[in-house]
Amino acid sequence: GAGVSQTPSNKVTEKGKYVELRCDPISGHTALYWYRQSLGQGPEFLIYFQGTGAADDSGLPNDRFFAVRPEGSVSTLKIQRTERGDSAVYLCASSPGSTTGELFFGEGSRLTVL
Amino acid sequence: AQKITQTQPGMFVQEKEAVTLDCTYDTSDPSYGLFWYKQPSSGEMIFLIYQGSYDQQNATEGRYSLNFQKARKSANLVISASQLGDSAMYFCAMRESQSYNTDKLIFGTGTRLQVFP
Repeated sequence: GAGVSQTPSNKVTEKGKYVELRCDPISGHTALYWYRQSLGQGPEFLIYFQGTGAADDSGLPNDRFFAVRPEGSVSTLKIQRTERGDSAVYLCASSPGSTTGELFFGEGSRLTVL
Repeated sequence: AQKITQTQPGMFVQEKEAVTLDCTYDTSDPSYGLFWYKQPSSGEMIFLIYQGSYDQQNATEGRYSLNFQKARKSANLVISASQLGDSAMYFCAMRESQSYNTDKLIFGTGTRLQVFP
């Protein structure tokens, strides 16, 4: 498809398990962002990639969270030893790299930790 | 610290009427950008409109306009001629001043707009 694709759309896991969330950005977009949206809140920034490198990971809440983008396209957000407080919608967005403010978002991955 | 405040948790508007969604912001940086995004039930955030702090005129995009009052630090979204498809969550956002070469945004808590026939 032409838009940002995120998989899985829904993930239910048990506390302590490891989870991977995948984002496939719009082809040619060099910038990729991960945001987290808790219930009743606006999205909160987690990490930003420009190409393959994480240019800003200041939003990652702790060292259980990690993200990669090895070939400058698809990105994976990895969460170790999940906790109930990690339950949220994880949104991925991409942009051409110019700072227009127009981020193109996927529909998100809803993570539920039981 | 930079902050976005949206004080209206929910708004109702009748189809074809205009509606204003409020947004105030807090920043000490003279250069910043303000944005509005729409989030329908599908979950995807959709960019609506952008206003730069140095823009002389209020931004407009079709039925959307941004009522930018710099002295009051407000950036209200005006939707004219509301349509049933406008029912969604609306988020105001600001680009962080230290991130002016990125699109790292700070979002408000959103306003749920419901359009009724």
